[in-house]
Amino acid sequence: SQQGEEDPQALSIQEGENATMNCSYKTSINNLQWYRQNSGRGLVHLILIRSNEREKHSGRLRVTLDTSKKSSSLLITASRAADTASYFCATPGSSYKLIFGSGTRLLVRP
Amino acid sequence: DVKVTQSSRYLVKRTGEKVFLECVQDMDHENMFWYRQDPGLGLRLIYFSYDVKMKEKGDIPEGYSVSREKKERFSLILESASTNQTSMYLCASRSPGEGESTEAFFGQGTRLTVV
Repeated sequence: SQQGEEDPQALSIQEGENATMNCSYKTSINNLQWYRQNSGRGLVHLILIRSNEREKHSGRLRVTLDTSKKSSSLLITASRAADTASYFCATPGSSYKLIFGSGTRLLVRP
Repeated sequence: DVKVTQSSRYLVKRTGEKVFLECVQDMDHENMFWYRQDPGLGLRLIYFSYDVKMKEKGDIPEGYSVSREKKERFSLILESASTNQTSMYLCASRSPGEGESTEAFFGQGTRLTVV
């Protein structure tokens, strides 16, 4: 059962623009994580936001969490061609499981 | 650096073969996972292990089994490979942590093709 659903499924932007991806989830959570996956590789953790946080920054990444709407957004500012990847949100499931959404494919055009 | 290592990057097997996918982590993590990833479907959890010899089914366990005899190693077994098991398989590990707020570390993935 998928907990998080990302939106949009695919996003194409010009280098230097900002990219925003959204994640909606179904049940109450105590944290939400974002991961990145380069083509054909494993996932890499980007950032974790706890349920008592509204916003968190890490370099060019900004994550928000709205627990009342059960949604999160990931903003990448001043995007670069190297940011081209798929981005996934992940939420805790039962028994320490981690449930991933279907991902957003980001293409940053040089 | 944490390392999660999957035994193969690419694998081609025949229908009906028994297939073993191996995953080893070096961070003494209790939790290990096997996911499969298919276009448009994201990552789907096949099996999860929370300790040695302990396992729990994920969302799509049919046709798969797992083995965790040692803490660092988590094996995924396709009992009789079928073409619909052609996919990218991803192994991950994590420490339970406080409030389940720990990151997962992934292997590089195994792209399995069943012919």
